[in-house]
Amino acid sequence: EIVLTQSPATLSLSPGERATLSCRASQSVSSYLAWYQQKPGQAPRLLIYDASNRATGIPARFSGSGSGTDFTLTISSLEPEDFAVYYCQQRSNWPPGTFGQGTRLEIK
Amino acid sequence: QVQLQESGPGLVKPSGTLSLTCAVSGGSISSSNWWSWVRQPPGKGLEWIGEIYHSGSTNYNPSLKSRVTISVDKSKNQFSLKLSSVTAADTAVYYCARSGIYCSGGSCSYYFDYWGQGTLVTVSS
Repeated sequence: EIVLTQSPATLSLSPGERATLSCRASQSVSSYLAWYQQKPGQAPRLLIYDASNRATGIPARFSGSGSGTDFTLTISSLEPEDFAVYYCQQRSNWPPGTFGQGTRLEIK
Repeated sequence: QVQLQESGPGLVKPSGTLSLTCAVSGGSISSSNWWSWVRQPPGKGLEWIGEIYHSGSTNYNPSLKSRVTISVDKSKNQFSLKLSSVTAADTAVYYCARSGIYCSGGSCSYYFDYWGQGTLVTVSS
């Protein structure tokens, strides 16, 4: 089973700042990686698929990069609504589908 | 717009069977997508449980495989989850989700693009 490790566990930033979230896989997942955003009391929302493609309706300030074992989600300029928990998920070695443990992005 | 809605008991007794149904609207369950169950214990991360295709083909998380059954009812445009021999560790918000097909660079894969709102299932006597 592929293990996804996200860092940092918590990221404290202010609106307008740039956020960089990391996801590292225990073995290569090629580019079969997604990022999800989850706000309290809500279901996750797909942000990025295939490592770097924005899902429908996702603002351009969200971008993804990486391949193999190292991936990054970047939010170029934080808006108040971006403070949430972010999960990466791999679809390379399936089943099982594995998620990272999440990064909490909080307001500083 | 595809919508998913979970339904089922919110309380299940230990050693019992958890049963949930996900009704799909705004799209056909017979489309080229997989249909999944994902759970999230209170305050914790996401765990994929399993998925089903409209043909009845299934994939399960090996850690739960011995206790999980996912089925589909095309006539009702819904799919269901059964999890047997539950314990307190199975207490979680259970989500149903569509695994939509996404293609780029000549290859295709599936990602969770539509989700239900989730339903909390508590295992307690």
